[in-house]
Amino acid sequence: EAGVTQFPSHSVIEKGQTVTLRCDPISGHDNLYWYRRVMGKEIKFLLHFVKESKQDESGMPNNRFLAERTGGTYSTLKVQPAELEDSGVYFCASSQPTVGQGGKTEAFFGQGTRLTVV
Amino acid sequence: AQSVTQLDSHVSVSEGTPVLLRCNYSSSYSPSLFWYVQHPNKGLQLLLKYTSAATLVKGINGFEAEFKKSETSFHLTKPSAHMSDAAEYFCVVTSLNRDDKIIFGKGTRLHILP
Repeated sequence: EAGVTQFPSHSVIEKGQTVTLRCDPISGHDNLYWYRRVMGKEIKFLLHFVKESKQDESGMPNNRFLAERTGGTYSTLKVQPAELEDSGVYFCASSQPTVGQGGKTEAFFGQGTRLTVV
Repeated sequence: AQSVTQLDSHVSVSEGTPVLLRCNYSSSYSPSLFWYVQHPNKGLQLLLKYTSAATLVKGINGFEAEFKKSETSFHLTKPSAHMSDAAEYFCVVTSLNRDDKIIFGKGTRLHILP
């Protein structure tokens, strides 16, 4: 079974440019999450999709960030325009819903995209 | 509501000595608990998970953790540290309700002294 895949693994862009990160979850996983870790600090929640719907986007830092999950499969996270403080590692995770799974499941994480804004 | 607290931001141990990384959780439901590790410039790797089976969970690389409901703890241990264990460790709790939230602890950086 393929795991969660993120593209690209690294991205270096200039301030003001646009970058799009992609996450391919495990097939059949309704839940898809985006997290980021900025400059070795704690891992922060960005948002949570259930299928194509945004269940919770309370962690999105500002309107420069736009996440989509068309068709409920892969997701993209666009940063436009990028700022220096956006540098960090962006993680994606997917999971099956706990409801109907006996309440026990786990999240599978991608390897992350390291974004550097210069 | 769910929360997870990692009690130490940094832990230093000598190679060959035991490792203890502490994690306490708060959950309104029966939680699922995980430990993940992140090595420098690498992604997140699952070390072990507790999902209501045995309370003592064994993971990869000799790590294990014990779920103690009375203490609301899920501490990570290893009998003998190796230099390659130097990394950051995250305790994670997932909720049982329909929110399906994944809650990260703030992480504990483990330093291994030669």
